[in-house]
Amino acid sequence: DIVMTQSPDSLAVSLGERATINCKSSQSVLYSSKNKNYLAWYQQKPGQPPKLLIYWASTRESGVPDRFSGSESGTDFTLTISSLQAEDVAVYYCQQYYGTPFTFGPGTKVDIK
Amino acid sequence: EVQLLESGGGLVQPGGSLRLSCAAAGFTFSSYAMSWVRQAPGKGLEWVSVIRDSGATTYYADSVQGRFTISRDNSKNTLYLQMNSLRAEDTAVYYCAKVSGGRCYGSLDHWGQGTLVTVSS
Repeated sequence: DIVMTQSPDSLAVSLGERATINCKSSQSVLYSSKNKNYLAWYQQKPGQPPKLLIYWASTRESGVPDRFSGSESGTDFTLTISSLQAEDVAVYYCQQYYGTPFTFGPGTKVDIK
Repeated sequence: EVQLLESGGGLVQPGGSLRLSCAAAGFTFSSYAMSWVRQAPGKGLEWVSVIRDSGATTYYADSVQGRFTISRDNSKNTLYLQMNSLRAEDTAVYYCAKVSGGRCYGSLDHWGQGTLVTVSS
């Protein structure tokens, strides 16, 4: 199974500041023939289902604010919130959909400092 | 607007069975793979199973393989999860989610509100 790890477990950022969440896969999730990383990011607010933010590691889902961005470097992936807003308080999960089981990372909780 | 509505959750004794349903609307159900994801109380997300658009291909997490069966009825726009031999560790909110494409390998672009399954004597 592909193991997904995330860091940090939690972070607190001041409003308007940058938040950076890291995710690492235990093996490549790059489908070379398509040159795409099979990696998604989700946001889950308290009491709500998860919401897709980013897919193919760096493509923003329709309707997601452009302060959210994803980047990739080998098996390392990053979700960046460029200017944290109060409504961004949530737990963020990465997930690989390259190989079954399609594993999630353990999550990173983002709060306001 | 995509809508996914899960039902069938509840309290069941260890060793018992339960069938979850997910009614879909707002998209061409037969053109998309569908998935189940669960979340134990206070815990993270755990992928459970996926079925492709036609129903011909299914995959499962090791933790449910041989006990759970995913299926779909494209004529009724409904996804199912038959859960047998339930254990306490199966207690969770079960989410139905739409895959972004017809095959199983895709992100989960829409989610239902979830249904709670509690396994306890």
